[in-house]
Amino acid sequence: DGGITQSPKYLFRKEGQNVTLSCEQNLNHDAMYWYRQDPGQGLRLIYYSQIVNDFQKGDIAEGYSVSREKKESFPLTVTSAQKNPTAFYLCASSISGARQETQYFGPGTRLLVL
Amino acid sequence: GDSVTQMEGPVTLSEEAFLTINCTYTATGYPSLFWYVQYPGEGLQLLLKATKADDKGSNKGFEATYRKETTSFHLEKGSVQVSDSAVYFCALSAGSTNAGKSTFGDGTTLTVKP
Repeated sequence: DGGITQSPKYLFRKEGQNVTLSCEQNLNHDAMYWYRQDPGQGLRLIYYSQIVNDFQKGDIAEGYSVSREKKESFPLTVTSAQKNPTAFYLCASSISGARQETQYFGPGTRLLVL
Repeated sequence: GDSVTQMEGPVTLSEEAFLTINCTYTATGYPSLFWYVQYPGEGLQLLLKATKADDKGSNKGFEATYRKETTSFHLEKGSVQVSDSAVYFCALSAGSTNAGKSTFGDGTTLTVKP
């Protein structure tokens, strides 16, 4: 079955540590996205990519980094510069990024700070 | 910039009651409009969408009509079930200068009691 997988489901970060969240899709989609979700709030865009080897900052990119070396993979690194990283992180993809397209979401990774 | 305002929750209804969740938006150009649903601990999944004015999206008994004159996309269902309990997000995706970027409302939590 086609879809998006995210791992791990739960991730614990120590202070000063960088952690990387995995996102893989087998939908053959060109566009991929990372969102942050805080309790009682909507999704906020961190980064997005519409093609391999290219990505754009979203609304809250500070303290995060991404890479897009393969079409199916879009890992997110939460760096030590992100002072409040505790949140639910969602990865999504769409066919090409056009405005009328549905975004398909993974099951999410919950990041907690020790 | 673009924005989405959703009816504040939580909303609690009895089974078979009528549901309305209000959504209004601000956007330049001609956005596409979406309703996504999120079940506990999961990612979002598309419920319905509309890509131009006066379009009606529908799925699983839910409906929403794209009203450009009132900049609204209210979600309705005639008879809710316990299984409809979830968080509902209204979202828009703007024109070519913001290709790939969606804006989400804060979400409305719906609880349906038997």
